[in-house]
Amino acid sequence: DIQMTQSPSSLSASVGDRVTFTCRASQSISNYLNWYQQKPGKAPKLLISAASSLHRGVPSRFSGSGSGTDFTLTISSLQPEDFATYYCQHSYSTSFTFGGGTKVEIK
Amino acid sequence: QVQLVQSGAEVRKPGASVKVSCKASEYTFTDYYIYWVRQAPGQGLEWMGWINPNNGGTKNAQKFQGRVTMTRDTSISTAYMELNRLRSDDTAVYFCARIVVEPASIGGDYYYMDVWGKGTTVTVSS
Repeated sequence: DIQMTQSPSSLSASVGDRVTFTCRASQSISNYLNWYQQKPGKAPKLLISAASSLHRGVPSRFSGSGSGTDFTLTISSLQPEDFATYYCQHSYSTSFTFGGGTKVEIK
Repeated sequence: QVQLVQSGAEVRKPGASVKVSCKASEYTFTDYYIYWVRQAPGQGLEWMGWINPNNGGTKNAQKFQGRVTMTRDTSISTAYMELNRLRSDDTAVYFCARIVVEPASIGGDYYYMDVWGKGTTVTVSS
């Protein structure tokens, strides 16, 4: 199975900060990469598919990039509602495994 | 609106089985695969498998081979995930999600999960 590794596992940031975190695949997955946001006690919410395609209704401060094995999710100006855990997920094969997540905490 | 409604929390003893349901509404159930994921307390998301409601075809994560069964009842637009021989480390929240398939301009298809159930807590304890 393709392994997904996210870094950092957590970060502290302030409202208004620009934050970027990364996801690395164990093999090339082209741009078959999704990003999800999860808040405590809630189901994940789709943010981005195909590495950079923003899902409808997702604020434009979120953006994704990358191809092959290395991907990034950027929040251009962190808002209070963005404090959550972010997961990447590949869809290169139909196993759809997730990375371990990056938790964004308030500084 | 489009939603997936999951069954309620369950408590089981080690060695028992649990069957979680996921009822779809406001879309054509057979048009989208259903994906199952679990999340142990304080941990990340772990994929378990998926089912094609159209023909009942399934794919399970190797970790759960022989212990998990995914089925569906198209007459009531409901998917099921049954996990057998439960252990304490199966204690988790179990989510179902709808899989969207979109043709990719580069060839192949993009898959992503756009609608999720709220989760079902399964507690395994003696």
